Formats: sequence, structure tokens, C-alpha cells
Amino acid sequence: EAGVTQFPSHSVIEKGQTVTLRCDPISGHDNLYWYRRVMGKEIKFLLHFVKESKQDESGMPNNRFLAERTGGTYSTLKVQPAELEDSGVYFCASSLSKAGGSYYNEQFFGPGTRLTVL
Amino acid sequence: AQRVTQPEKLLSVFKGAPVELKCNYSYSGSPELFWYVQYSRQRLQLLLRHISRESIKGFTADLNKGETSFHLKKPFAQEEDSAMYYCALSLMDSSYKLIFGSGTRLLVRP
Repeated sequence: EAGVTQFPSHSVIEKGQTVTLRCDPISGHDNLYWYRRVMGKEIKFLLHFVKESKQDESGMPNNRFLAERTGGTYSTLKVQPAELEDSGVYFCASSLSKAGGSYYNEQFFGPGTRLTVL
Repeated sequence: AQRVTQPEKLLSVFKGAPVELKCNYSYSGSPELFWYVQYSRQRLQLLLRHISRESIKGFTADLNKGETSFHLKKPFAQEEDSAMYYCALSLMDSSYKLIFGSGTRLLVRP
């Protein structure tokens, strides 16, 4: 099992350009999360998919960010147009469907994509 | 608002010394707390969760609701414990998203 994979590992782009990050969750994991860590700050939640549906996108910073999960498998996060403050590490995580009640399913993280906007 | 605070950015100890990484949280509901660890060149991984009340790699953490704390402890630090440690709070809503603290870098010196 390869675990959660993310592509690319690094991306350097200029302000105003478009970048698309990809996340492949662990096979069978319905839940997919995007987080990011901006330099010097904590890891922050961006959004959550359950299969192909957006369950919670309260952490998306603005409408320059667009996330999709077509078919409920891999997910993409597009930033268009990129700004300097978008630089950081973008993490993807996946987990199994939760059982009833308060049971927590462990989130497995990918290695992250380091985005640098110049 | 929900918040997780890790007051120390860096904690440096000698091998064999006790370690305590501090974590405080703010949450009006019933908290579910975790410690995640990121070793050098590795991905973020779950270390332990309060609900399991287990010891992993010699680490323990006790939830203190009165002090709203979830400090991570180990009686004798090892060099391989050197890593970035994140305390996280899971919101018991439909998303179970994680709220992370800013992280503490633990450096265990020989």
C-alpha cells in the first residue's frame, strides 16, 4: 500500500499563474481532506470531501481556490491566479468512512506539495 | 472559537532526560485530541489519541479538562524522538476536521 500520494512534490510558479495540485487517497477511503501550512504558521484545514461531495469547505481562503474530486477517487486543488501568500505546504489526508457516534477514523497524510509563488 | 496552543516552538533536551511537550486547547464541546509527529523527511503521522489512553513509543498524554490541556510526556527521551510534534483537536461535527497547534520541534541531543 503506497499510502496517500501527492503530486507534484514541489512547484515553483510566478504570481498570477495557475497551479493544480493532485492527491490520490488510500484506496477505499471515502474521506479526503486538504490542509495547508503557510510559512511560520500552523497547519490549517481547507476542505473535506466525502466521496465526490464537498462536506465542508469552510477553510477555503477565497474563490481563487477550487477543489474537485471527480468520481470520488483522486482530488485536485487548483489555485488560479496564484498570489504570493499562497506559498506553503499543501497536505492531503484520507480516512475511512466513520462509524456511527463519535468514532474517529485516523487521517493518513500525504507527503505534501511545497508551493512557492514568486 | 476552537484553538490549539503549543507554547514552545523548540524544546531541546539531552538523551535520557524527561520530556514534556505542552498543549492547551479551547473548545466548548467535548474534545477529541491527538498528537501527530513528523520525523525528518517523513510524512505527518498519528502518534496517539486521548481516547485510546495508550502509550506509543514511550509517550503518553493525559487529557485534563479542568486545565484544558493535553501535554505529551516521555520519561526518557531518545535521539530518535527528535521530530516536529503537533497537537490537534478534532471537531466532532460532520467533517472531523483537525485543528492543529503550531507545532513544537523536539531536539534530543546525545
